[in-house]
Amino acid sequence: AQSVTQLDSHVSVSEGTPVLLRCNYSSSYSPSLFWYVQHPNKGLQLLLKYTSAATLVKGINGFEAEFKKSETSFHLTKPSAHMSDAAEYFCVRRTTGKLIFGQGTTLQVKP
Amino acid sequence: DGGITQSPKYLFRKEGQNVTLSCEQNLNHDAMYWYRQDPGQGLRLIYYSQIVNDFQKGDIAEGYSVSREKKESFPLTVTSAQKNPTAFYLCASSISSGRAKVYGELFFGEGSRLTVL
Repeated sequence: AQSVTQLDSHVSVSEGTPVLLRCNYSSSYSPSLFWYVQHPNKGLQLLLKYTSAATLVKGINGFEAEFKKSETSFHLTKPSAHMSDAAEYFCVRRTTGKLIFGQGTTLQVKP
Repeated sequence: DGGITQSPKYLFRKEGQNVTLSCEQNLNHDAMYWYRQDPGQGLRLIYYSQIVNDFQKGDIAEGYSVSREKKESFPLTVTSAQKNPTAFYLCASSISSGRAKVYGELFFGEGSRLTVL
């Protein structure tokens, strides 16, 4: 079965330091992958998406992700965390007609 | 501005009552979805609709019902048969034709939080 695994349920960083949120997927072919962010009691906002074009994908708010087929990974990074980045992050893959969500990673940003 | 509007944002219900959550979109999207979110469980698909007057059950449809009489609207009814309805409910929409059917993202509303008293 196709799945998405977010390797950390909680990540804590200091403001101004790099962010790494890890995501692995299971598949025998290149999937369609997304990262979404959710602030408390809000809907999900698209950060970026991979659709089999460039393997390094740039998103909003300084985030980017690299698709690595050999490692079946799609990790989300940001060079310097900001307090406003504190939120829940979801790695998502799409199959025709439905999405498969990872369990989410809570990012805490300390001052 | 185009987007998805969910209402109400907060809703309280007594046990045994049915409640309906509204979802309206002006993005001209064919496909609409309802998800349930519980702490630590990610999002789970309740129902989805690819076209007007047609919808399919998702992974946790029991105790819920939907209708899709208009392209813009996809209301969700949480019935008294749903044993544990307290949750955060998210509505989403997407383009469902061509390349977008495989690669297109979903656009989400702001959510409705239902609490059963």
